[in-house]
Amino acid sequence: EAQVTQNPRYLITVTGKKLTVTCSQNMNHEYMSWYRQDPGLGLRQIYYSMNVEVTDKGDVPEGYKVSRKEKRNFPLILESPSPNQTSLYFCASKRTDTQYFGPGTRLTVL
Amino acid sequence: KQEVTQIPAALSVPEGENLVLNCSFTDSAIYNLQWFRQDPGKGLTSLLLIQSSQREQTSGRLNASLDKSSGRSTLYIAASQPGDSATYLCAVGSYSSASKIIFGSGTRLSIRP
Repeated sequence: EAQVTQNPRYLITVTGKKLTVTCSQNMNHEYMSWYRQDPGLGLRQIYYSMNVEVTDKGDVPEGYKVSRKEKRNFPLILESPSPNQTSLYFCASKRTDTQYFGPGTRLTVL
Repeated sequence: KQEVTQIPAALSVPEGENLVLNCSFTDSAIYNLQWFRQDPGKGLTSLLLIQSSQREQTSGRLNASLDKSSGRSTLYIAASQPGDSATYLCAVGSYSSASKIIFGSGTRLSIRP
């Protein structure tokens, strides 16, 4: 089944403790992207990647890092999480124009 | 900077009605516009994608239109059903960078049986 998977689905952590949210797609898509969704603000793009080893900032990249060492994986790294990064995170991929989204990761930073 | 607005934020209609959801954007130089559906606690599902050269797209009971000159898109849902209850989001890909996607904050639709 063609899909985008994210892990973990739920995470509660404390300020300053490094974490990684993984994203994987099995559709051989070149483009992948991370978003965060907050009430009243909609989805905002954090980072995107056009292909392996090619990444670029979206609208809200501060406090996040990404890497794209393989086509299928696009992990989101929070080196020192803060409470304002509490949010619902989505990973997405696409080949042409239609984006396919993962199920989301709900992150709480205490 | 592109801004995407969806009004109203919430809408409740009785089952069977035809309805229109609105999306407006400030920069008409768009690459494409996509409508998504989001169910509570779930990810987004793509409904319709309109390229900048197109005026509308249809899928079943859904019809999306695009008017770049006025910075507007509408999603028309015919004969609404309770199963259509969800949040609907529009997203714009800019012409300068189709990889940068700007989302509206969504319209939460409730269909009353």
